[in-house]
Amino acid sequence: AAGVIQSPRHLIKEKRETATLKCYPIPRHDTVYWYQQGPGQDPQFLISFYEKMQSDKGSIPDRFSAQQFSDYHSELNMSSLELGDSALYFCASSFVQREGPTDTQYFGPGTRLTVL
Amino acid sequence: AQSVTQLDSQVPVFEEAPVELRCNYSSSVSVYLFWYVQYPNQGLQLLLKYLSGSTLVKGINGFEAEFNKSQTSFHLRKPSVHISDTAEYFCAVTLPGNKLTFGGGTRVLVKP
Repeated sequence: AAGVIQSPRHLIKEKRETATLKCYPIPRHDTVYWYQQGPGQDPQFLISFYEKMQSDKGSIPDRFSAQQFSDYHSELNMSSLELGDSALYFCASSFVQREGPTDTQYFGPGTRLTVL
Repeated sequence: AQSVTQLDSQVPVFEEAPVELRCNYSSSVSVYLFWYVQYPNQGLQLLLKYLSGSTLVKGINGFEAEFNKSQTSFHLRKPSVHISDTAEYFCAVTLPGNKLTFGGGTRVLVKP
């Protein structure tokens, strides 16, 4: 079965540079979530999109922005990178079930960002 | 707001022994509960989930978990672990259509 695709898998940037992470959800999934996992930490929710509209926002810095495109893929744009932004960034996708209990999130392999 | 506490940060266990990973949550409303596994240098894989119905949930790789509403717990168990079960395990809660809130993770180290 198709899974969530994230690119790139690894990214090395210098401080104050910008980075763009991409996420391609499972086909027919309409919701994308972004999470940040620092070294030795649990994943922290950043932001989510449903049908190309922002649906929820977590602890996402103002230097970061994201969007979901017409083909449902999503991009996380990170500017003025700081050393503390070094982390594993996960994208998850789901299909919102209007009549059912809840949507299960399926995670991609992550993008490991290293800021030097 | 909901929160999740995983009571053990590390659990060493011998191969073929049973293991239990403890998870407690707090929420003012009903939640849905998940266990994810993260193998070294990999993403998060869904092990099992509780949405409603039977409180004993069976997942992949021989894992199961029991939802206990009165104790607000969702402990994960496996009767006999393998070396390949060495990984980090995350308990998580969510409200419908909402973000996941994770516990701090439990690192399981299976020894031969």
